[in-house]
Amino acid sequence: AAGVIQSPRHLIKEKRETATLKCYPIPRHDTVYWYQQGPGQDPQFLISFYEKMQSDKGSIPDRFSAQQFSDYHSELNMSSLELGDSALYFCASSLSTGGHEQFFGPGTRLTVL
Amino acid sequence: AQTVTQSQPEMSVQEAETVTLSCTYDTSESDYYLFWYKQPPSRQMILVIRQEAYKQQNATENRFSVNFQKAAKSFSLKISDSQLGDAAMYFCAYRSSNFGNEKLTFGTGTRLTIIP
Repeated sequence: AAGVIQSPRHLIKEKRETATLKCYPIPRHDTVYWYQQGPGQDPQFLISFYEKMQSDKGSIPDRFSAQQFSDYHSELNMSSLELGDSALYFCASSLSTGGHEQFFGPGTRLTVL
Repeated sequence: AQTVTQSQPEMSVQEAETVTLSCTYDTSESDYYLFWYKQPPSRQMILVIRQEAYKQQNATENRFSVNFQKAAKSFSLKISDSQLGDAAMYFCAYRSSNFGNEKLTFGTGTRLTIIP
C-alpha cells in the first residue's frame, strides 16, 4: 500500500539559511499535517491543510510557512534557520471521511549547524 | 486545551510476558479519538491502535488491547506475549472530533524495553 512520502530524508543547513521540506500524502487523502519532534521530545503540531486550505495552526514560528498544492502535496518552508530548528519533521495524512487515523511519513531530519 | 499525560518514562518486560502502559488525558469534549503510536529506533511513527470515545467496547489489535475508562479519562495499552520487536517509544495521542481541530496532541512517551 502507498505510504506518505517525504523528501529529503536528511538535510543539513547553516544558521540563517532556508530549507524546504516536501510531503506527498497517501493518494486520495485530503488532509495533511506537519509535526516537529525535537530530540527526546514528543511530536508537536505545526500546521494542517484540508483540501488545499489551511485548517489549523499550532506552534509554528513566523519564520515558517507552508502550503498545499493542487496535486495535494505540501511544502514546509523554513527561513532564517536557527540551531533550535534542528529536529525531525513529520508529515502525516488522513482521509476526513475515513477512520480518522493519521498516517505518518518517515520524517525529514533537519540539522542546523 | 487538551493535555495527555504518560507517567511512566520507561518500562521493561520479559519477552513473552504482558505489560501495560498508562495514559491519562484531560478534555472538556465528549467526543474524541485516542491513539497509541509506536516509534522504534528508526523513528518512524507507527499507529498501533485507536479508540473512539463514543464506543464502550475496548479496541483490540492482535496482541495489543486498550483499557478505555472514559469517566476516569484513562487509556492504557496492554501488550501481550511481548516480542523483541515491540521495543520502542510508545506515545499516547488525543484527537478532537471537531472539524478543523484534528491535530494530534501527544503525551511525552514511554520507552519500552524487552528483556530476552
